[in-house]
Amino acid sequence: GEDVEQSLFLSVREGDSSVINCTYTDSSSTYLYWYKQEPGAGLQLLTYIFSNMDMKQDQRLTVLLNKKDKHLSLRIADTQTGDSAIYFCAERFTGGGNKLTFGTGTQLKVEL
Amino acid sequence: DVKVTQSSRYLVKRTGEKVFLECVQDMDHENMFWYRQDPGLGLRLIYFSYDVKMKEKGDIPEGYSVSREKKERFSLILESASTNQTSMYLCASSSDGDSYEQYFGPGTRLTVT
Repeated sequence: GEDVEQSLFLSVREGDSSVINCTYTDSSSTYLYWYKQEPGAGLQLLTYIFSNMDMKQDQRLTVLLNKKDKHLSLRIADTQTGDSAIYFCAERFTGGGNKLTFGTGTQLKVEL
Repeated sequence: DVKVTQSSRYLVKRTGEKVFLECVQDMDHENMFWYRQDPGLGLRLIYFSYDVKMKEKGDIPEGYSVSREKKERFSLILESASTNQTSMYLCASSSDGDSYEQYFGPGTRLTVT
């Protein structure tokens, strides 16, 4: 079955870049997503990438996809205290219908 | 804006009680989902529905049931709540096609004592 893994914690200083990593096992993934969850809130979609792309950039966010290694990363440039949250990667794989499989989430802490 | 609402933000119930968690979406989405979120385990899919009166088991359906009588509403039912069902419950909805993006409600923090 499909599995999505992330490290649990990341701590960075304000102004630095953050890189959150994710590995997945299903090679038939079609879409891969990054969601953000602020304290006490639901998940909010940050960005997604289609599996035929290697990179996607959206303002301070850069998503890199390495299909060969089944590795997805989210880079946040100039990290701010407001970026402190839990970040989830998720995948939709071919044959999964409308289901998404979520990773365990990475708690990002931004320190002054 | 897509809006997914959940009936309660916080709920405290006793062991053995029947618990209803309600979710409503206002975007005419075909698909609705119930997850539970536990530290270190991420989001785990309990049940989902792709149409009115249709339901499919997710990864952890044991101890739960669902109901979808109207397109906009998806209910999660705990027939006899147990302490190991203490968790954050998240509802989501999505439309067919496009990017399959799921829109989430704010969550219900359920405590079973």
